Amino acid sequence: SQQGEEDPQALSIQEGENATMNCSYKTSINNLQWYRQNSGRGLVHLILIRSNEREKHSGRLRVTLDTSKKSSSLLITASRAADTASYFCATPAGGTSYGKLTFGQGTILTVHP
Amino acid sequence: GAGVSQSPSNKVTEKGKDVELRCDPISGHTALYWYRQSLGQGLEFLIYFQGNSAPDKSGLPSDRFSAERTGGSVSTLTIQRTQQEDSAVYLCASSRYRGETEQFFGPGTRLTVL
Repeated sequence: SQQGEEDPQALSIQEGENATMNCSYKTSINNLQWYRQNSGRGLVHLILIRSNEREKHSGRLRVTLDTSKKSSSLLITASRAADTASYFCATPAGGTSYGKLTFGQGTILTVHP
Repeated sequence: GAGVSQSPSNKVTEKGKDVELRCDPISGHTALYWYRQSLGQGLEFLIYFQGNSAPDKSGLPSDRFSAERTGGSVSTLTIQRTQQEDSAVYLCASSRYRGETEQFFGPGTRLTVL
C-alpha cells in the first residue's frame, strides 16, 4: 500500500503562478523526499527534508513538514512551462534502515505558457 | 557513466515469453533498487541489492520474477512466462551506500505484454 497520499491529483496553472502540492503519510518517518517525473519515465530527486526540520528551500522550491499532522507540502514559486511533470513524495518504508522508498500516488502538474 | 542506464528502453513481448531487463547503476553506488510503475498500482518497490546480495525481495510479485546483480554493478531483472498484468514501466535506482537516502533513477524500461 502507498505510504503517501497526495493532493491534488492534478493541478493546472498559468506560467508565473505558484503551485502547491500536499502529501500525507501514515507512519513515523525520519525524512521525506520529493521527486519529479517527466513523461512517465525516470524520477529526479528534488529535495529531502528531515523529521527535525520544518521548512526547507531549494531555488524555487519550498518544502514544509508537519510531523504532528504527518503531512508535507511542496511549493513551486513562479512556475514555468518546464515545471510540467508529475511530482511524488516518498518516505523510507517502515522499519527499514536502508533507502527502500514508498511513494505517494503523485500530483500531475501542468503549467500553461 | 554519468547516470543510471537501463536497457532496453521499450520491450514488447508476447504472453508466456521470458524477458530480461538490465540496469547499470552509477559507478561506485553499492545500493541498487528495482521499482515498478503501473497505472493501477503507482510506484512499487520490488527488490533491493546491497552489493551482490538481495536482503529484501519482499516486493517481487510472484516467483516468476527474479533478479541478480554481479560484480556489485550491473543488475538484471528477469520475468518468466510474462503475463499481461506485468505490463508496466520498470525503474532502477541506485544510491551511494546503504542508508543513503537520495536515489538516482534510470529512465526505465517500458514493458508491454501482448
